[in-house]
Amino acid sequence: EAGVAQSPRYKIIEKRQSVAFWCNPISGHATLYWYQQILGQGPKLLIQFQNNGVVDDSQLPKDRFSAERLKGVDSTLKIQPAKLEDSAVYLCASSPRTAGELFFGEGSRLTVL
Amino acid sequence: ILNVEQSPQSLHVQEGDSTNFTCSFPSSNFYALHWYRWETAKSPEALFVMTLNGDEKKKGRISATLNTKEGYSYLYIKGSQPEDSATYLCAQEGGSYIPTFGRGTSLIVHP
Repeated sequence: EAGVAQSPRYKIIEKRQSVAFWCNPISGHATLYWYQQILGQGPKLLIQFQNNGVVDDSQLPKDRFSAERLKGVDSTLKIQPAKLEDSAVYLCASSPRTAGELFFGEGSRLTVL
Repeated sequence: ILNVEQSPQSLHVQEGDSTNFTCSFPSSNFYALHWYRWETAKSPEALFVMTLNGDEKKKGRISATLNTKEGYSYLYIKGSQPEDSATYLCAQEGGSYIPTFGRGTSLIVHP
C-alpha cells in the first residue's frame, strides 16, 4: 500500500515570496490533515478536511495561508506572502475516518530567509 | 484547545537501558490518546492509539499505559537500542476528534 506522498521535501524562499505544498493521501482515506511543526514545538493543526469539505481551519492564518482539497483526494497548501516565522516542517496526514490513527507523509521543510 | 504536555523534553540513555516518558493531558472530554515515533528524515509512525482507562498496549519492546481519570500516559522502552533513537510524540483527541500534539520527547540511545 502506497503511503502519504508529499512534495517538495525541501523549499527555501525569501520573505514575501509564495510557496505551495502538495499532498496525496492514502487511497480511500476520507480525512486529511495539514500540521505545521516549528522547531522545538509540537505539530499544530492548520486544517482538517473530510472528503473535500473543511472540518476545522480555526488555526489557519487565513490572511496568508490557503488550502484546498479538490475532488476529495489530493490537497494543496499555499502560503502567500511568506514570513520568516513560517519556517517549519509542513506535515500532511490522512486517516480512513475522523477519529483514529494518522498516517503521515515525510513532510515538507520550508525555510524562509 | 487542549494542553498536551510531554516530559522529559530530551533523554540520553545507554544501549540496554530501559526508559520511560510521560504524556499529560486534560482528563475532561477525552476520546483517545495516540503515540507516534518520528525518526529523522522519515515520516511519523503510529505506535499506539488507546481509548480506555487502564488500557495497556505492547509492541515488541515498547509498551504504553493510559490513565484517563488523572490525565496521563506512560511510554516504556525495555532494553533500548540505537535504532530506538527518535522523537516520541503523543497526541490527545478530545470532543472535536482532532489530535492535538505535545512537543515530543527526543530520545538518543548511545551504543
